[in-house]
Amino acid sequence: SQKIEQNSEALNIQEGKTATLTCNYTNYSPAYLQWYRQDPGRGPVFLLLIRENEKEKRKERLKVTFDTTLKQSLFHITASQPADSATYLCALDRTNTGFQKLVFGTGTRLLVSP
Amino acid sequence: DTGVSQDPRHKITKRGQNVTFRCDPISEHNRLYWYRQTLGQGPEFLTYFQNEAQLEKSRLLSDRFSAERPKGSFSTLEIQRTEQGDSAMYLCASSRGQGEQETQYFGPGTRLLVL
Repeated sequence: SQKIEQNSEALNIQEGKTATLTCNYTNYSPAYLQWYRQDPGRGPVFLLLIRENEKEKRKERLKVTFDTTLKQSLFHITASQPADSATYLCALDRTNTGFQKLVFGTGTRLLVSP
Repeated sequence: DTGVSQDPRHKITKRGQNVTFRCDPISEHNRLYWYRQTLGQGPEFLTYFQNEAQLEKSRLLSDRFSAERPKGSFSTLEIQRTEQGDSAMYLCASSRGQGEQETQYFGPGTRLLVL
């Protein structure tokens, strides 16, 4: 069956360090992968999209890599800040029907301490 | 604030009651999605509208669930004869409809608690 796995344990890091979150998937061949941020009691907010033919994508302090051979995406936040504390979700599109039928991982909670 | 609003933000109801949630997407967005999210899980796709047409429904959407988007603008999600297992956050998202690789903008969600 198709699965998207993210580390369910919270990631605790100190301010200023680089946070690295992992998203692994099985039985998918996604054309692209997305990362979202979700704060408690709020809806997810889109951060980055990376296509299958892109190895790496950057946006300010964020970097995403996509390895279709390993079936893995890594999400990095450099120079992390307490305001980066949130749950980060990866999502794949399940269909090629012309609309986004997103399937989300369970998310990883990031805690950045001062 | 993404521009997508949902009402109510919280709903507590007794088992067996009917509830209705509303979603107002970003005005120029013709695609609208409903998701359900339970504690510790990611959002799960429920249904999708292109303008007023409901084009896809998940198997999660039992016959107690119905969604509408009558004029291609706001949408409602109704749950009849609620069960405790329906307790979850119900999220709405909208997008512009320019292809597969587009951004979905999520609302703040409606948190439902069925007692």
